[in-house]
Amino acid sequence: KAGVTQTPRYLIKTRGQQVTLSCSPISGHRSVSWYQQTPGQGLQFLFEYFSETQRNKGNFPGRFSGRQFSNSRSEMNVSTLELGDSALYLCASSFSRGDGYTFGSGTRLTVV
Amino acid sequence: QQQVKQSPQSLIVQKGGISIINCAYENTAFDYFPWYQQFPGKGPALLIAIRPDVSEKKEGRFTISFNKSAKQFSLHIMDSQPGDSATYFCAPGAGGGSQGNLIFGKGTKLSVKP
Repeated sequence: KAGVTQTPRYLIKTRGQQVTLSCSPISGHRSVSWYQQTPGQGLQFLFEYFSETQRNKGNFPGRFSGRQFSNSRSEMNVSTLELGDSALYLCASSFSRGDGYTFGSGTRLTVV
Repeated sequence: QQQVKQSPQSLIVQKGGISIINCAYENTAFDYFPWYQQFPGKGPALLIAIRPDVSEKKEGRFTISFNKSAKQFSLHIMDSQPGDSATYFCAPGAGGGSQGNLIFGKGTKLSVKP
């Protein structure tokens, strides 16, 4: 069974640019969550989508946005990149029935 | 507001020993208490989870103990093996685990010495 797939695995961007990251959840999973992982702040929740609607949102600036498509695939976008946005961005999916979330391996974003 | 406090930050255990990691939370709305395991270069993987209607859950060598009144839960790894060397996170949440806005602890780096 295929897991959560995140693309690309690695990305290098310049300050001020924007970036779009993609997440394909496990087949049948309707909930997709995004997290940012950094050495200093750890794992921080960005947002969660369920059936194309944003269900929960973390405490991140408006430069961070996301969406979910009808096939449950999700994208997150970061505009006007800052050096501090360098992080591992993780996507997790679930049936949303209380059986837990499965994470992908993440996209490593480096902003220079 | 730091909602989740995980301790210790790092832990060194001999092979065959017991590893214990603790997590304290503040939000009484939390009703789902999972532990995740993360290896370098990988995303976190769900190890074991508990809900507040039970005080303990065991799966193989891994046990969660839950103390609702103290707002704490812990992970016990029995007969620790070098392959258990990883970073462990508690990540409580609300909605019985059906919602993906988990609050992660800062992590515990476990090293099991052969």
